[in-house]
Amino acid sequence: KQEVTQIPAALSVPEGENLVLNCSFTDSAIYNLQWFRQDPGKGLTSLLLIQSSQREQTSGRLNASLDKSSGRSTLYIAASQPGDSATYLCAAPSSNTGKLIFGQGTTLQVKP
Amino acid sequence: GAGVSQSPRYKVAKRGQDVALRCDPISGHVSLFWYQQALGQGPEFLTYFQNEAQLDKSGLPSDRFFAERPEGSVSTLKIQRTQQEDSAVYLCASSIRTSGRNNEQFFGPGTRLTVL
Repeated sequence: KQEVTQIPAALSVPEGENLVLNCSFTDSAIYNLQWFRQDPGKGLTSLLLIQSSQREQTSGRLNASLDKSSGRSTLYIAASQPGDSATYLCAAPSSNTGKLIFGQGTTLQVKP
Repeated sequence: GAGVSQSPRYKVAKRGQDVALRCDPISGHVSLFWYQQALGQGPEFLTYFQNEAQLDKSGLPSDRFFAERPEGSVSTLKIQRTQQEDSAVYLCASSIRTSGRNNEQFFGPGTRLTVL
């Protein structure tokens, strides 16, 4: 059974810092891993989807990596901005239907 | 449409009332998922549809929860005799293909249900 964990639960950094968010999963037979952003009171916005055959995926200031052997994924945010403040969730599909198993999320605050 | 839409955005119900939550997936998306998100937690899977067929309902917490997608497009999640523990955000997601394992899921804004 797939389990997904995110540590830390909360993170506060000054504007301009580069930062890394961590995601761990227990089942290494992973097909892909998806990172989401959730603003307060809003739904989930898909940021990056990494297929199992890929090691990383980039979009703007975001870079996500996937290491199946160690059961880890990281989301790297370069030159953080106050607008990056949100909760970041990672999720992996479980079973043939692709239902997502989510971590608890990391709430990021970027201070101006 | 341009994205997944859900209605209502907010619903307040008295304990014991029935509620119905609607999801309009992205046009042409075959797969549709419902998730429940408690405050401060990640979403948890409720049920999955492939077109009109409900292929997985293993996450529905009780027989008070019922979902349908009769024409393979719009879906409705119904909760009967609501309880306070049903208070949560209910999220709907869709993806384009029938096989979910390698598909990106796109989420709606959610319906925040509060049961008094």
